[in-house]
Amino acid sequence: DAGVIQSPRHEVTEMGQEVTLRCKPISGHNSLFWYRQTMMRGLELLIYFNNNVPIDDSGMPEDRFSAKMPNASFSTLKIQPSEPRDSAVYFCASSYYTGVKYEQYFGPGTRLTVT
Amino acid sequence: SQQGEEDPQALSIQEGENATMNCSYKTSINNLQWYRQNSGRGLVHLILIRSNEREKHSGRLRVTLDTSKKSSSLLITASRAADTASYFCATDLYNQGGKLIFGQGTELSVKP
Repeated sequence: DAGVIQSPRHEVTEMGQEVTLRCKPISGHNSLFWYRQTMMRGLELLIYFNNNVPIDDSGMPEDRFSAKMPNASFSTLKIQPSEPRDSAVYFCASSYYTGVKYEQYFGPGTRLTVT
Repeated sequence: SQQGEEDPQALSIQEGENATMNCSYKTSINNLQWYRQNSGRGLVHLILIRSNEREKHSGRLRVTLDTSKKSSSLLITASRAADTASYFCATDLYNQGGKLIFGQGTELSVKP
């Protein structure tokens, strides 16, 4: 299996521009998670989906952030408009959640720089 | 504050020594997991311990869980330079649909 795939790996954009991050989870997994990592705040959970349905988006910083999962093999995280404080590494992770035990598989991350 | 808090924040040891990292949490858990992150990469799952387990081994890794103290420890024996990475504990709370709460991590440096 190719693992969790994220694109792009690096993104540099100017303040005010729209940014779209993409994630392809591992085939067969039923849960997908978006995280943001910075030195100051560590690893933060932004939103997660079970069976393509958003379960908890309480970690989404503000209305500028939105996430979708139109099907089991694709998800997007969009920031519009972007701001310099959004600069971070964004990770997507997937898992096969059974309610008993499971592990999350992380993608390589997208390093976002907003100037 | 974080559900999972690691201690120490940074640890520097010589190759061959053992490394111990601790994690404390606040609420009841379903299980606790440890992850590793090499610089510039995503996190990688190392080991999971259920709330009804007290100790678990995997190769050079040993994890303990004390639910009465709400704490866990990760021991890496006979460390190698390749073990240099950040280590995170993550707690899985009941009925949260698989949501994990990650701590801030321990940065381990193993010097050859």
